[in-house]
Order: sequence, then structure tokens, then C-alpha cells
Amino acid sequence: DGGITQSPKYLFRKEGQNVTLSCEQNLNHDAMYWYRQDPGQGLRLIYYSQIVNDFQKGDIAEGYSVSREKKESFPLTVTSAQKNPTAFYLCASSIDRGGTEAFFGQGTRLTVV
Amino acid sequence: KQEVTQIPAALSVPEGENLVLNCSFTDSAIYNLQWFRQDPGKGLTSLLLIQSSQREQTSGRLNASLDKSSGRSTLYIAASQPGDSATYLCAVGDTGRRALTFGSGTRLQVQP
Repeated sequence: DGGITQSPKYLFRKEGQNVTLSCEQNLNHDAMYWYRQDPGQGLRLIYYSQIVNDFQKGDIAEGYSVSREKKESFPLTVTSAQKNPTAFYLCASSIDRGGTEAFFGQGTRLTVV
Repeated sequence: KQEVTQIPAALSVPEGENLVLNCSFTDSAIYNLQWFRQDPGKGLTSLLLIQSSQREQTSGRLNASLDKSSGRSTLYIAASQPGDSATYLCAVGDTGRRALTFGSGTRLQVQP
């Protein structure tokens, strides 16, 4: 089945640790996105990538990093510089950046302990 | 900077009612608008996509309209069912950065 797979579903991080969230898609989509969702709020854009080896900062990129070495994969690293990382993280993809439909994964819930 | 507002924030209706969810955006330079459904603790499911050149899209009991000049979209749900209970999110695609900007959502509860 085609789709977007995020792992893990739940992740716990200690203060000062870096953690990496996985996002893989088998839809052959060029564009991929990372969003953060806080309780009762909409989604905010962290990073996005239109093509392999290229990515741009979104609205809340501070304390996060990404890579796009393969078309299928867009991992997000939450660094120790992110002061309030506890949130629900959602990965999305679309065929390209030209107005096509976006599809989302099932999310990773990150909690700082 | 694009801002998206959804009204109401929460809505509770009896089963069978027709209802309208509202979405407004501040910058009309968009390439599309997408409505999503989100169940608690889950990802987003795409409901309808309206390109900037279109006025409406329909899927089953759902109809979404777009008035780009006034910065408004509505999602109409006909004959609501308890299974429609979820949060509905509106998102606009900005022509500048080509990524979606989201509203905060409308939390819908349909009472049996």
C-alpha cells in the first residue's frame, strides 16, 4: 500500500538529548514537509523540501534540523536547542510544489521527560 | 504573512443536521485550499482540495466552496452523522513558499 510512514508513534526524550523522527513515503512524491501541532492548535511548518538535497526553513525551524538525501525519506532531528519540544509531529508529502494534494502520516508524539 | 482563521472553534449538533464550517485567510495569493479531518491522536485525512481557479468541490455529503477575492472558504456537511465527529482543519497553499498554512480547526461533535 502506498503512503507515508512515521516512526516511532511515541517517543520520549530526556532533557539535553537529540532525537530523530523518521518519515518515509512510497508515493514517489517530490515535496515533503514537517509540521508541529500543539494541543488545540493548528499545524505550524517546521521545514520543507521540494527536491532531494534541498530544503527550506518554515515558520518555527529553530532547534530543528532535517536532511533529504533520498526522495523517499525526510528525517527530522529535534535538538537540545529546542526549548519546548513536547508536541505532536506530522510529516506530509505532495507530488510537487505546484498545488497538488498533500497527504499526511499518522504522526509522532514526542514527550520530554 | 498568511493567517488562517476558522470559526467556530467548536460545534455540537444533533444527528441529521446540515452544517457549515467557515475558514478565512488574509492573503488571496493562494494556489489551492485543502480541507482535512483529524481524529484524536491521529494524522490528517484529506477531504477536499480546491485549486485557486475553482469555486467549489464536492465529495459525497461534503461540499467546499472558495471565494479567493474575499478570502473565504466554507465546508458544508449534509445530514451529519456521529461518525463525522472530529476536528476539521482548513489549510491554504501560499504561492510564495508553496507550503500549507493551517487554521486552528473546528472541533465538531455530532450527537446521536
